[in-house]
Amino acid sequence: DSGVTQTPKHLITATGQRVTLRCSPRSGDLSVYWYQQSLDQGLQFLIHYYNGEERAKGNILERFSAQQFPDLHSELNLSSLELGDSALYFCASSKQPNGRETQYFGPGTRLLVL
Amino acid sequence: DAKTTQPNSMESNEEEPVHLPCNHSTISGTDYIHWYRQLPSQGPEYVIHGLTSNVNNRMASLAIAEDRKSSTLILHRATLRDAAVYYCILRDPTGANNLFFGTGTRLTVIP
Repeated sequence: DSGVTQTPKHLITATGQRVTLRCSPRSGDLSVYWYQQSLDQGLQFLIHYYNGEERAKGNILERFSAQQFPDLHSELNLSSLELGDSALYFCASSKQPNGRETQYFGPGTRLLVL
Repeated sequence: DAKTTQPNSMESNEEEPVHLPCNHSTISGTDYIHWYRQLPSQGPEYVIHGLTSNVNNRMASLAIAEDRKSSTLILHRATLRDAAVYYCILRDPTGANNLFFGTGTRLTVIP
């Protein structure tokens, strides 16, 4: 158990809908990262928040947005969903935002868009 | 981040040692070599990292070539629980902390 929690575990929705994925980092970790894992693209970095502020963006679509709240949990919002958004979404956390830090990953949310 | 090259897949017999190679010929002087693995239906987990010297921890050993252009993750006695995709990732300690996962090596452990 990494200490990172993600809800829900599974999500099934229809095209055009909007969903929110939630992540709670390990106690004491200030950084939260979101990754998407699909069959054709592998594991890809989406976005990084540190102590409530956005620090880096990766291959995140404009239909996707995220935020980190004062209690440090983070939410990833996916809107106007398409079939291709079906994937595993992982969040990870670390104490500091630099390249020395180990990232601890949650169990993921499996999203299926029908 | 500099790129790494790993074999797509490897097989090992249970209880045998496994050597997972990684080439990183464009590594910079300050890049650390990190290994993560992803067990089936789980998120990635940290395995080990090193800079120049060989490293050991409870999970594995990391052997780094003298010119740092390649490294090898060593699992001393593979178990069925070690079946996973193993990712070799270069990290600039002063740079962004997001991880770049390549395709990794899928390790199959044969009972």
